[in-house]
Amino acid sequence: GNSVTQMEGPVTLSEEAFLTINCTYTATGYPSLFWYVQYPGEGLQLLLKATKADDKGSNKGFEATYRKETTSFHLEKGSVQVSDSAVYFCALSPGSGGSYIPTFGRGTSLIVHP
Amino acid sequence: NAGVTQTPKFQVLKTGQSMTLQCAQDMNHNSMYWYRQDPGMGLRLIYYSASEGTTDKGEVPNGYNVSRLNKREFSLRLESAAPSQTSVYFCASSEVSGGTYEQYFGPGTRLTVT
Repeated sequence: GNSVTQMEGPVTLSEEAFLTINCTYTATGYPSLFWYVQYPGEGLQLLLKATKADDKGSNKGFEATYRKETTSFHLEKGSVQVSDSAVYFCALSPGSGGSYIPTFGRGTSLIVHP
Repeated sequence: NAGVTQTPKFQVLKTGQSMTLQCAQDMNHNSMYWYRQDPGMGLRLIYYSASEGTTDKGEVPNGYNVSRLNKREFSLRLESAAPSQTSVYFCASSEVSGGTYEQYFGPGTRLTVT
């Protein structure tokens, strides 16, 4: 079956530091890949997505590139802010003809200190 | 456009009591989902409904039932609550298009069973 593995947290950084959160996946076919963010006390919301190999998703200074050769979709940001403190989830949805069930990683908590 | 709404936001039950969690979406999505989120466990799918009139079990369906009341509404029922069902419950909806779909989450229901 499909699976998503992301680095365990918490990841603790100082403001303006560079962020990488690793995500690798196992899937058949051509899945779409997502990063969701969950702020304290809220539901998940889509941060960015990529639907095919070599696509780069970007939003709010975050970026991730769909790498089929390494089955990875690492999240990066050049300069984090305290307001980026949240839990980040990597996820995939099966390609055309697949099931309706997405697969989520376990989440990585990010804590940014001033 | 409210997106996905859930009621109630908080609930405390005694063991053996029953309750229904309500979810509604106004985006005309076909697919709806119920997840639970526990510390260190990520998101686990309880039930989903690929389209109006259909429901299927997810990863952890025991102790729960669902009803897809119409295209907008998808409810989750606990018939006899147990302390192990203490969790945060999220409803989500999505539209499947060519195998690519992103999920839209509600704000969650925080349930404590004593």
